[in-house]
This record gives sequence, C-alpha cells and structure tokens, in this order.
Amino acid sequence: DTGVSQNPRHKITKRGQNVTFRCDPISEHNRLYWYRQTLGQGPEFLTYFQNEAQLEKSRLLSDRFSAERPKGSFSTLEIQRTEQGDSAMYLCASSFPLLEQFFGPGTRLTVL
Amino acid sequence: GIQVEQSPPDLILQEGANSTLRCNFSDSVNNLQWFHQNPWGQLINLFYIPSGTKQNGRLSATTVATERYSLLYISSSQTTDSGVYFCAVGGAGNNRKLIWGLGTSLAVNP
Repeated sequence: DTGVSQNPRHKITKRGQNVTFRCDPISEHNRLYWYRQTLGQGPEFLTYFQNEAQLEKSRLLSDRFSAERPKGSFSTLEIQRTEQGDSAMYLCASSFPLLEQFFGPGTRLTVL
Repeated sequence: GIQVEQSPPDLILQEGANSTLRCNFSDSVNNLQWFHQNPWGQLINLFYIPSGTKQNGRLSATTVATERYSLLYISSSQTTDSGVYFCAVGGAGNNRKLIWGLGTSLAVNP
C-alpha cells in the first residue's frame, strides 16, 4: 500500500493556459474522488468515479473542467482556459470497500 | 444538503494541555471522518467514526449519531499536533461525497 499519489505537486501557469493533473489511487480502491480547497476553507467535492464510471459531478465543475478515469485506475483532471479563481489545492482521494476516504498530497495550482 | 459546523474555529494550547473539538451535522450520515491537515496541506486520517467511540494513542473520538455530533479529544498535546483539524461527513444513501466543516485551527505552544 503506497498510498494515493498526485502529480505534479505544484503547478504555476498563466491565465488562459490548460493544465492537467494526475491521481493514482491506492491499488485495490475502485472509488476515486476529486476535491478542491481554497485558503481558509474545507475541501469542496468536485467529482466521483466508481471504476471508470463518473457517477457524480458538482456544479462547481464548470464546462472548463473535465475528469477521466479511462481504465478504472488512475484519473486525470483537466482545466481549460485557466482563470485566477482556479488557484487552489486540488485533492484526490480513494476508497474501497469501506466509505473511508484516503487522500493524496494534493496539487497546488497558481494561476498568474 | 448536509451542513457541518466545527467549533471552536481557533484554539491555542500550552504543550501538555487537553482539548475537545466538536463537529455538529444537520442530517443522518453514513460516514464521518476526522482529519489533521499539516502545514504542507496533506490530509492525515485520524478516525473513521460514523458512530461509537475509538481511541488511538493520545487521540480519541466519539460520534453520537442520534444527536448529530462528534467530538475529537486530544490529550497531553504536543507541538506536532498543531495544524487544522477537519470533520467531514457523508450523507445516507448512495451519495459518496464528503461534506466538510471549516476546521479548527490548533496551535500548541512549547
């Protein structure tokens, strides 16, 4: 059990650029979650996969955001045409079979 | 949706003191977790406790689901306990997402 990993750990980009983050869950976990956390707040749910199926998306996930989990293993989160308001920590978690979620170290995005 | 309230928002302790953090939630839950977020942003699992009482070293937690609250106890606090403590809950049914409180920011002074 190597834990949930996320890459990159930090990303600095200019407004208008596209960025992609990767999450590798704990190997036997079939549920994968994305959250976003801004300074001074608790994390907010973005989306949830069970295997390769995306079962729920938050209204926070605008048309510029897309998430995939093509083979039911790792997942990617892409943000198109980044805005300064997208600056945040993006957190990935996984779980199975219990509901307990385990989190990766996060990707800190700064949009200049 | 479910509302989660944590108290106190901020807490300053001297090393060796004990403390109790509270989490109130507004509806039935099938998941409740306590986390410690370190200064680098990593969320560390403390307890998965939708009901009952658990203990792990100097930490213990109790959830009274029927009264919709959970308590996290920290005894003999150490400077390494500093950070933000979050309570997060998952609603009943197939909804898997966690709803989070705003956290309790704890500073333990030597």
